[in-house]
Amino acid sequence: AQTVTQSQPEMSVQEAETVTLSCTYDTSESDYYLFWYKQPPSRQMILVIRQEAYKQQNATENRFSVNFQKAAKSFSLKISDSQLGDAAMYFCAYRSADKLIFGTGTRLQVFP
Amino acid sequence: GAGVSQSPRYKVAKRGQDVALRCDPISGHVSLFWYQQALGQGPEFLTYFQNEAQLDKSGLPSDRFFAERPEGSVSTLKIQRTQQEDSAVYLCASSFLAGEWETQYFGPGTRLLVL
Repeated sequence: AQTVTQSQPEMSVQEAETVTLSCTYDTSESDYYLFWYKQPPSRQMILVIRQEAYKQQNATENRFSVNFQKAAKSFSLKISDSQLGDAAMYFCAYRSADKLIFGTGTRLQVFP
Repeated sequence: GAGVSQSPRYKVAKRGQDVALRCDPISGHVSLFWYQQALGQGPEFLTYFQNEAQLDKSGLPSDRFFAERPEGSVSTLKIQRTQQEDSAVYLCASSFLAGEWETQYFGPGTRLLVL
């Protein structure tokens, strides 16, 4: 069975700085999809970025980018030029057939 | 356009009561998912519908949990004889198509507290 591990329960960053959130996963599949979701306090979970495993190029969405290391089964999220609105819980997720398998999340605090 | 909506947003139930949680997906979305999110944890998959067909219910924790989507749009998650361990946020998500690449759009969740 696939598992997703986020080893950083909390992270903090200064506004305008860069922060990296870690995620590792375990799978025996060769083709799959990985996602980062953001869950602001008392608000809906929204997709931040996604990566197809067969693509070697790392995905980028504006200030958000990933470092996908397939052999190491690592999928970290880098947030550049952090903003106060980036403060939220961030969940790494693996898509297995019908379902998303989530990690336990990393709470990101952004300080002015 | 409207996103995924869920009702009620909060529900307090006495142990042993039955509850029904409703999900209105984005109009036209084929796929619908239910997840359970315990405090301090990531969401855990409960069940999946493609249109009105329940294709996967492997995550339902017991036979007290039942979900339906009779007309392929609105879905209801029913929990019978609620227990304290059922206390959690129940999230609904929908996606336009059925592919693994598809973005899942989440609702705000229903926070269930069983006393």
